[in-house]
Amino acid sequence: AQSVTQLGSHVSVSEGALVLLRCNYSSSVPPYLFWYVQYPNQGLQLLLKYTSAATLVKGINGFEAEFKKSETSFHLTKPSAHMSDAAEYFCAVSDPNNDMRFGAGTRLTVKP
Amino acid sequence: DGGITQSPKYLFRKEGQNVTLSCEQNLNHDAMYWYRQDPGQGLRLIYYSQIVNDFQKGDIAEGYSVSREKKESFPLTVTSAQKNPTAFYLCASSIGVSGNTIYFGEGSWLTVV
Repeated sequence: AQSVTQLGSHVSVSEGALVLLRCNYSSSVPPYLFWYVQYPNQGLQLLLKYTSAATLVKGINGFEAEFKKSETSFHLTKPSAHMSDAAEYFCAVSDPNNDMRFGAGTRLTVKP
Repeated sequence: DGGITQSPKYLFRKEGQNVTLSCEQNLNHDAMYWYRQDPGQGLRLIYYSQIVNDFQKGDIAEGYSVSREKKESFPLTVTSAQKNPTAFYLCASSIGVSGNTIYFGEGSWLTVV
């Protein structure tokens, strides 16, 4: 069965600094990989999705993620953090044979 | 606008009472889901449904029940058998269960008083 591990339950960066949120996956077949963002008291919103096309996926709000098969990773990055990026981020994995599995989430704090 | 509507946003329940959370979608999706989210924790799957009149238990189905009489509706009942029901509940839908993007509602807070 597939699974996702998010390294670091909390990440804190300064405004303008690089954001790096780590995600490693386990899947026996080529996976579909997702990043979602959740603002307080709201549902999850899709940031980006990898489906075996380009390995570098661009999403909304300036975020992007790179699929690295050799490292089984799908880390989320943004060159310059903004205060509005403060939220919880979830990595998820799915494949044609299985339902979606979510990581435990990483809470991003942006300091002024 | 297309989307997923959950109601109510906030609900208070006395111990021993059953409560039902509503979820309606107008995305014409076949699959619908209910997740539970506790503070500081990830999402745990309660139930999911791939088609009308069919649903499957997720990882934490005990103390919950669902129905899927219509494609657009997937209500969740939190029964008195659920020992720790205070949580944030998220309804979601997708075109199909496997490999598809899941879209979420805004969530419902349930508090036991």
